[in-house]
Amino acid sequence: EDQVTQSPEALRLQEGESSSLNCSYTVSGLRGLFWYRQDPGKGPEFLFTLYSAGEEKEKERLKATLTKKESFLHITAPKPEDSATYLCAVQARNAGNMLTFGGGTRLMVKP
Amino acid sequence: EPEVTQTPSHQVTQMGQEVILRCVPISNHLYFYWYRQILGQKVEFLVSFYNNEISEKSEIFDDQFSVERPDGSNFTLKIRSTKLEDSAMYFCASSEDYLPSEQFFGPGTRLTVL
Repeated sequence: EDQVTQSPEALRLQEGESSSLNCSYTVSGLRGLFWYRQDPGKGPEFLFTLYSAGEEKEKERLKATLTKKESFLHITAPKPEDSATYLCAVQARNAGNMLTFGGGTRLMVKP
Repeated sequence: EPEVTQTPSHQVTQMGQEVILRCVPISNHLYFYWYRQILGQKVEFLVSFYNNEISEKSEIFDDQFSVERPDGSNFTLKIRSTKLEDSAMYFCASSEDYLPSEQFFGPGTRLTVL
């Protein structure tokens, strides 16, 4: 069974304090790993897709990396507007096009 | 920027009633999905739909659920006889491609079953 575990569950940072969020996954074969941002009461907002180990993607203060067992979302010099829940999801080779989500990391950035 | 839209934003219903949740996917997308998120829990896959047929469905998507594309723009999720445990946020998503699929989500419909 495909599994996605995110840590920590919650993270409090001061504005400008860089950190990383972790997404560990167990799948029979990874087709793609996806990062989403979710604000309270809203739908997930697509951020990145990673396909193979060693791949990196960047967008503003966010950088996503991928290894064979986990992905990291690095947040550099975060701002209060980066506060949200960050979701990781995988698409497995034996599971069609469904996404399996982790529980998310709730990030709070204080000014 | 094109986006997925969903109506209503909040639906309150009595247990045993039928509800229909509506979605308008991004116009050039061909693959459509429903997910749900019970309060405080993970986002869970329900069903994927392509070319007027279900492509995949999860164990959650039992006989109480059905999906339909009644016209060229709408995509609906019907729950025939709602239960208390159906209370959740329901998200519609769409993608341009099958695999790999970057799925774009709508804002969700909050379903409350009393």
